[in-house]
Amino acid sequence: AQKVTQAQTEISVVEKEDVTLDCVYETRDTTYYLFWYKQPPSGELVFLIRRNSFDEQNEISGRYSWNFQKSTSSFNFTITASQVVDSAVYFCALSEASKAAGNKLTFGGGTRVLVKP
Amino acid sequence: NAGVTQTPKFQVLKTGQSMTLQCAQDMNHEYMSWYRQDPGMGLRLIHYSVGAGITDQGEVPNGYNVSRSTTEDFPLRLLSAAPSQTSVYFCASSLFGRELPHYGYTFGSGTRLTVV
Repeated sequence: AQKVTQAQTEISVVEKEDVTLDCVYETRDTTYYLFWYKQPPSGELVFLIRRNSFDEQNEISGRYSWNFQKSTSSFNFTITASQVVDSAVYFCALSEASKAAGNKLTFGGGTRVLVKP
Repeated sequence: NAGVTQTPKFQVLKTGQSMTLQCAQDMNHEYMSWYRQDPGMGLRLIHYSVGAGITDQGEVPNGYNVSRSTTEDFPLRLLSAAPSQTSVYFCASSLFGRELPHYGYTFGSGTRLTVV
């Protein structure tokens, strides 16, 4: 069975500080996909990134960066120089993405990030 | 616009009432699913479908029914609403495996349901 753990329920920072969100996952499959989603106060789910299990390159997109470490089953997310607009709930999620496995997407409990001006 | 359409956006029910949450997608995705979001618990899978005529239970299926008569539609039925079903419901669709687009799953905008 798949499991995603986001140990931090809430993080509060002052604007321009860096913030790192932890994500640890469990799966028996060798091929899987990891995601990060942002949920702003308006409530919709905003896709941020997808990482394939067979591609261990880390990625940077503007102020966002992701560190995928297969050896420790972690997929951590860092916001550099945080801004008030980064205030949201962030979800890490895992999918085996195969029809046989039901294509199920499993979410972590989410981390609420509050960026104060 | 292509995507996942959920209706209604808001709903208030009395305990014991039944209703159907609608979900439709126009991307020819085989996979569709329903999640509920409760504070501090992330999104939990209620039911899912890997194709027309095929449905299966997720993590929290009790109190809900689904059917998938067409590729496009995947309605979620609450048989007898209870206060514990007060939640935000999201519908999602996708393709499988290597056909999964870079953004993965497409989510609807959500239905906020309150059962009093």
